[in-house]
Amino acid sequence: AQSVTQPDIHITVSEGASLELRCNYSYGATPYLFWYVQSPGQGLQLLLKYFSGDTLVQGIKGFEAEFKRSQSSFNLRKPSVHWSDAAEYFCAAFTNAGKSTFGDGTTLTVKP
Amino acid sequence: GAGVSQSPSNKVTEKGKDVELRCDPISGHTALYWYRQRLGQGLEFLIYFQGNSAPDKSGLPSDRFSAERTGESVSTLTIQRTQQEDSAVYLCASSLKAGSTDTQYFGPGTRLTVL
Repeated sequence: AQSVTQPDIHITVSEGASLELRCNYSYGATPYLFWYVQSPGQGLQLLLKYFSGDTLVQGIKGFEAEFKRSQSSFNLRKPSVHWSDAAEYFCAAFTNAGKSTFGDGTTLTVKP
Repeated sequence: GAGVSQSPSNKVTEKGKDVELRCDPISGHTALYWYRQRLGQGLEFLIYFQGNSAPDKSGLPSDRFSAERTGESVSTLTIQRTQQEDSAVYLCASSLKAGSTDTQYFGPGTRLTVL
């Protein structure tokens, strides 16, 4: 069965520290991979997406993600976290049929 | 409008009642999606409309759930005989054209509480 796993339910980092959020997928073929952020009271916002080609993708707000086929992973990174990055982050995989599978999310807390 | 809108923002209903949730996609977007997000969980795909094609209903959890879309505009998700397990945030998203490579723009959601 298709699945997306975010192993970390909750992560706390200090402001200015680096961040890595993990995402693993299990699909029959390489799906299209996305990262979304959901801030309190806000809708989901797309951070970045991967379809093919360069395995390191750049997104908005200084985020990047690296696709590693051998590890079935698509981890999200940011070199220096800002307090405004505190939110819930979702990794998602889409098939070309339009259907999607989302991970359960990782809640990021940023310490001052 | 600037984005996807959903109404109502909150809905409290009694077990056994029917509810209708509305989604207004971004004008010109041919694809529309409905998701359910239970507390502390990720999004669960429900249904997908692609232009005038028959919708993909494979994610609907039971026959109490149904959805309609008028052309390429408004969509309504209907839940009949609501159960407490239906309590969740229901999110709608739209994208410019069909296809998973297109960015989905999400609405703010409808929080449904079934007492």
